Amino acid sequence: SQTIHQWPATLVQPVGSPLSLECTVEGTSNPNLYWYRQAAGRGLQLLFYSVGIGQISSEVPQNLSASRPQDRQFILSSKKLLLSDSGFYLCAWSVKGAGPPQHFGDGTRLSIL
Amino acid sequence: KQEVTQIPAALSVPEGENLVLNCSFTDSAIYNLQWFRQDPGKGLTSLLLIQSSQREQTSGRLNASLDKSSGRSTLYIAASQPGDSATYLCAAYNQAGTALIFGKGTTLSVSS
Repeated sequence: SQTIHQWPATLVQPVGSPLSLECTVEGTSNPNLYWYRQAAGRGLQLLFYSVGIGQISSEVPQNLSASRPQDRQFILSSKKLLLSDSGFYLCAWSVKGAGPPQHFGDGTRLSIL
Repeated sequence: KQEVTQIPAALSVPEGENLVLNCSFTDSAIYNLQWFRQDPGKGLTSLLLIQSSQREQTSGRLNASLDKSSGRSTLYIAASQPGDSATYLCAAYNQAGTALIFGKGTTLSVSS
């Protein structure tokens, strides 16, 4: 069966520090991968999606970047975190051509101090 | 640009009540509409997916309808239970067909 792993579950970082959140998918190959953010009082917002290794599309301009070094690995990064980067980050995947993401990780709660 | 709105933002009901959560979207040319459940501090669980050619989907006590012409979807929960307490998110498939546009959610609290 397919599973999605996302870590860490919670993270507290100072302003200006770097960030690396990792997501891996098991039990499937060549998935579409997604990073979403849920900021306080706001809906879930798509940040990045990837249809293949090295292929990243950004939905909103921001302080973050994403990379897909392997087929089932998706990484969210920042060189210098801002207070506005606080939020709940969700990784998701979908089978290519099968529709929207149906499978979500448990999320990472990121607090910037 | 697609925008998804959910009303109400929060809802409290006693156990056993039937309830309706509302979702509206601005671009009727959606591909799919999906309802999710999110428990506090957790990821999302997909509840129901309605294809653009369908009008409703049912799963157990849940029924979701889709009216593309009016830009609305509703999630009906029958005989609510305390275990239904969660945030319910509505999401529309975006124009590129690659990802979902989410509403802010309705936080439901069912008291016993």
